[in-house]
This record gives sequence, C-alpha cells and structure tokens, in this order.
Amino acid sequence: EAGVVQSPRYKIIEKKQPVAFWCNPISGHNTLYWYRQNLGQGPELLIRYENEEAVDDSQLPKDRFSAERLKGVDSTLKIQPAELGDSAVYLCASSQRTRAETQYFGPGTRLLVL
Amino acid sequence: GQNIDQPTEMTATEGAIVQINCTYQTSGFNGLFWYQQHAGEAPTFLSYNVLDGLEEKGRFSSFLSRSKGYSYLLLKELQMKDSASYLCAVRVYNQAGTALIFGKGTTLSVSS
Repeated sequence: EAGVVQSPRYKIIEKKQPVAFWCNPISGHNTLYWYRQNLGQGPELLIRYENEEAVDDSQLPKDRFSAERLKGVDSTLKIQPAELGDSAVYLCASSQRTRAETQYFGPGTRLLVL
Repeated sequence: GQNIDQPTEMTATEGAIVQINCTYQTSGFNGLFWYQQHAGEAPTFLSYNVLDGLEEKGRFSSFLSRSKGYSYLLLKELQMKDSASYLCAVRVYNQAGTALIFGKGTTLSVSS
C-alpha cells in the first residue's frame, strides 16, 4: 500500500513570494491533515479535512495561508506571501475512521524562506 | 491549556533498555500515541494507548496511566537504527471533534 505522497520535498524561495505544497493521502483515508513542524518541535496542526470539508482550521493563519481539498482526495496548501518565519517542514497526514484514527505522515516539504 | 512534557535528549548503548517518559496535562483525553522520527523524515507510528496498562509490540512497549497523566515508551535490545526523535502525542476532544497535540520530542542517541 502506497503511503502519503508529498511534493516538492524541498523548496527555497525569497520572502514575499508565493509557494504551494501538494499532498496525496493513503487511498481510502477520508481525513487529511496539514501540520507545520519547526526545528526541535513537534508537529502543530494547521488544518484538518473530513472529505472536502475543512472541519478544523482554527490554527491556520488565514491572512496568508489557504488550503483546498477538491474531490476529497488530493490537497494543496498555499502561502502567499511567504515570510521568513514560515521556514519549517510542512507535513501532510491522513487517517481512516477507526477507533484509533491513527495518523500516517508523508515525508514532508522542507521550506526555506530567504 | 494543553501541555505535554518529555525529556529533550537521552543517550544509551546498543543492547540496552531505555525508557522515555511523557507527562501530560490536557482536557478531554482520547488516547496517546508514540511516533518515531528519524532526522529529515516523517513521523512513523509506533504505538497507541487509550486504556491504562502496557501495550507490547516486539522490542517496543508503551504504558499509560490516565489517572497520573503519564506514559512511557520502553525500547529493548537497542540498535543503532533506534537513534531518532520520539514524539509523544495526546489526542484530545475539541470543538472540531478531536485533535492530536504533540510534545517536543525526545532525541535518543544510541552508541556502540
């Protein structure tokens, strides 16, 4: 079974530029998550989708971040414009509706904003 | 607020046993997870506890005491490849259903 796929793996941009990250979850997983992980920290949730619906975006900085999950499968996270403080690893995860709802993570996109 | 504490760093030698502790103060507890994360890689699921007690899975075991807000991950017969960060994560109920709150991770270094 294929895992969570993310691209690109690395991205270097200058501040004020836009950037987008793409995620394809594990087949059959209806819940999709975007996390941000700063160096030496645990992942922090940005947004959670149940199928196409964003059910928890309380931690998403909506002035510059946006996300979509068309057709309830792939998802895109966008930052516009990027700031120096956005440098981090952006992780995508997915889960099924089971008792544990274990989240499985993709390899992440490492973003560096110069 | 939600708070999860775990040691920042631990060291051990090959073949040894190490215990990584995690204490949490959260509201609406709904399960505790342990993840392993090698440098530059994705977190990988290790274990899940929702009831008190010990869950064993090969060389790895995880323990939970809900009344004490305490969990530990036990790694036996340590190998060099076990050098990684170990993340304790608590699932809590919130207005949107549930959310996973991660600790900062414990970096384990295994030496020969």
